[in-house]
Amino acid sequence: NAGVTQTPKFQVLKTGQSMTLQCAQDMNHEYMSWYRQDPGMGLRLIHYSVGAGITDQGEVPNGYNVSRSTTEDFPLRLLSAAPSQTSVYFCASSYSSRGQQPQHFGDGTRLSIL
Amino acid sequence: AQKITQTQPGMFVQEKEAVTLDCTYDTSDQSYGLFWYKQPSSGEMIFLIYQGSYDEQNATEGRYSLNFQKARKSANLVISASQLGDSAMYFCAMREDLSSNFGNEKLTFGTGTRLTIIP
Repeated sequence: NAGVTQTPKFQVLKTGQSMTLQCAQDMNHEYMSWYRQDPGMGLRLIHYSVGAGITDQGEVPNGYNVSRSTTEDFPLRLLSAAPSQTSVYFCASSYSSRGQQPQHFGDGTRLSIL
Repeated sequence: AQKITQTQPGMFVQEKEAVTLDCTYDTSDQSYGLFWYKQPSSGEMIFLIYQGSYDEQNATEGRYSLNFQKARKSANLVISASQLGDSAMYFCAMREDLSSNFGNEKLTFGTGTRLTIIP
């Protein structure tokens, strides 16, 4: 029972490089989200998806793109990495029901931009 | 304005004592949900407990309980008989507008409380 799988776990990039953070879930969850965690700021929502083919922006979407071609996968793309994007990134998923279904989180990707 | 406020950046508690972690929230929605997550030093986010705005009773899950005071907009986490393994960051989070089909994927988090259990 893998749950939510994020790859890679660690990554170092140079300013201006692009990369894709991978997220996959095997629980048939419709809802998936990406958060970033910075010291002293908790988790902030970057982008989210309510189902395959449907995505929307969260609180801090600038510099990131997402797509949702399948229910299982929700990759996050950094278009041109900047030092301000140094953070820990979490992918999460949940059932398509209202209310108390908790979001299940991956183990995170620690990203450093030099 | 902060939607979720956790006023205790850090707490130190003696092992076996009970501990209360504070969380206040701000929303104009009538239907919302409150969650607590634990983040140990290994980094993963672990769901602990949920309270719905229309739930008549305070939520409980083992040693975790939620002291929900709707009029005060507070949802404090209570951990009974604390253990060394409870040392971690704890986050309060809110999901608003539960009447919408499209609210479930968005959580607003507080800044967290770092709890340290002293042997």
